[in-house]
Amino acid sequence: NAGVTQTPKFRVLKTGQSMTLLCAQDMNHEYMYWYRQDPGMGLRLIHYSVGEGTTAKGEVPDGYNVSRLKKQNFLLGLESAAPSQTSVYFCASRPAGGSKNIQYFGAGTRLSVL
Amino acid sequence: AQSVSQHNHHVILSEAASLELGCNYSYGGTVNLFWYVQYPGQHLQLLLKYFSGDPLVKGIKGFEAEFIKSKFSFNLRKPSVQWSDTAEYFCAVNAAHSGGGADGLTFGKGTHLIIQP
Repeated sequence: NAGVTQTPKFRVLKTGQSMTLLCAQDMNHEYMYWYRQDPGMGLRLIHYSVGEGTTAKGEVPDGYNVSRLKKQNFLLGLESAAPSQTSVYFCASRPAGGSKNIQYFGAGTRLSVL
Repeated sequence: AQSVSQHNHHVILSEAASLELGCNYSYGGTVNLFWYVQYPGQHLQLLLKYFSGDPLVKGIKGFEAEFIKSKFSFNLRKPSVQWSDTAEYFCAVNAAHSGGGADGLTFGKGTHLIIQP
């Protein structure tokens, strides 16, 4: 019963490096989300996707790109990492069919950019 | 756009004390309301949710919350806390679209709850 799986769990980058965070869900959910969590800020939505091949910007999209090539996977990319992107990143998914659905969260990826 | 305000950023209680965490939201339409909990080193777990109907909702682990529409509030309560309730608590909201919608959740900044044995 995996649910939402995020890889990697931890990563340290140098400023300017690139990386991709992977989110995989096995619940056949249509909608997927990427959030970042910063101390005293709660979680903020970066990007989301309503289905394979579609993505949309959330509240804080700058510096990130996403792709949803397969329904079960949602990738978050950092092309040129900056110290301001040091954060904990959470992926979530939920079924479609109205807004009365619960989002299920992954365990998070802790990213440090030096 | 919605916004969520959690009044208490840090709360320290003794075991068996009663708990109430405040949450107010700002939005002109119908909303869905959630409380999530994050135990140390773990991911977010849903405590309880309100979509419609009875404004008093019960969740897991003895938690409950009351939706008061006139006050735009959704406060979390527990009559008697335990040491294992030490965690970060987040109130969240999204707009309830009749035609469906993929809106992400808008979270409050969280309340860090520490229960002393």
